[in-house]
Amino acid sequence: EVQLVESGGDLVQPGGSLRLSCAASGFTFSSYWMHWVRQAPGKGLVWVSRIKSDGSSTTYADSVKGRFTISRDNAMNTLYLQINSLRAEDTAVYYCARAGLEPGARNQLDYWGQGTLVTVSS
Amino acid sequence: QSVLTQPPSASGTPGQRVTISCSGSRSNIGSNYVHWYQQLPGTAPRLLIYRNNQRPSGVPDRFSGSNSGTSASLAISGLRSEDEADYYCAAWDDSLSGLFGGGTKLTVL
Repeated sequence: EVQLVESGGDLVQPGGSLRLSCAASGFTFSSYWMHWVRQAPGKGLVWVSRIKSDGSSTTYADSVKGRFTISRDNAMNTLYLQINSLRAEDTAVYYCARAGLEPGARNQLDYWGQGTLVTVSS
Repeated sequence: QSVLTQPPSASGTPGQRVTISCSGSRSNIGSNYVHWYQQLPGTAPRLLIYRNNQRPSGVPDRFSGSNSGTSASLAISGLRSEDEADYYCAAWDDSLSGLFGGGTKLTVL
């Protein structure tokens, strides 16, 4: 059974940093591209970032470029999102999601975690 | 404001057919697959339709997707109370960015 379990969300002051983790199991993690998507309270889904299966390529939304870093440890089956210079508008539930395996499915998110809440407030 | 435009709300009575639209542009819907996600209250999103019109295993055939040019649609036939949820379209943009629609809240009356 595919499982994605996020952790690391917390209450942080503006300007602070956090590292989110997503532990994957039930599939060959190193074969799949992975994504982060966030959802502010009461709002819609917003794509944040994606990383290639081997970690060699990353892409970011303009709103987080330069502040967020996506990475992965295929030996540990874990995806990460380093979030720096946090702002109030970064307050959201952060979901990790697995993309499809075929080349045309890199942005088709077929499994999602339950999310971890990041709250930015003083 | 999302680049992919959806109506904020839709509604129908049990048994009815409802459609939800998603409007984009040549650089996203016009040149990449559209996917649809369902988010039940208090839960994570789940993939409902992929590659414009394909259903993952376990998704009832009451759900169908289509697209034409720079627009896409999700249709739900035989509406049921458990279909009450938020629905999001999504597509990759050629500017190297993922996009979601603003979401449509479906109410079953």
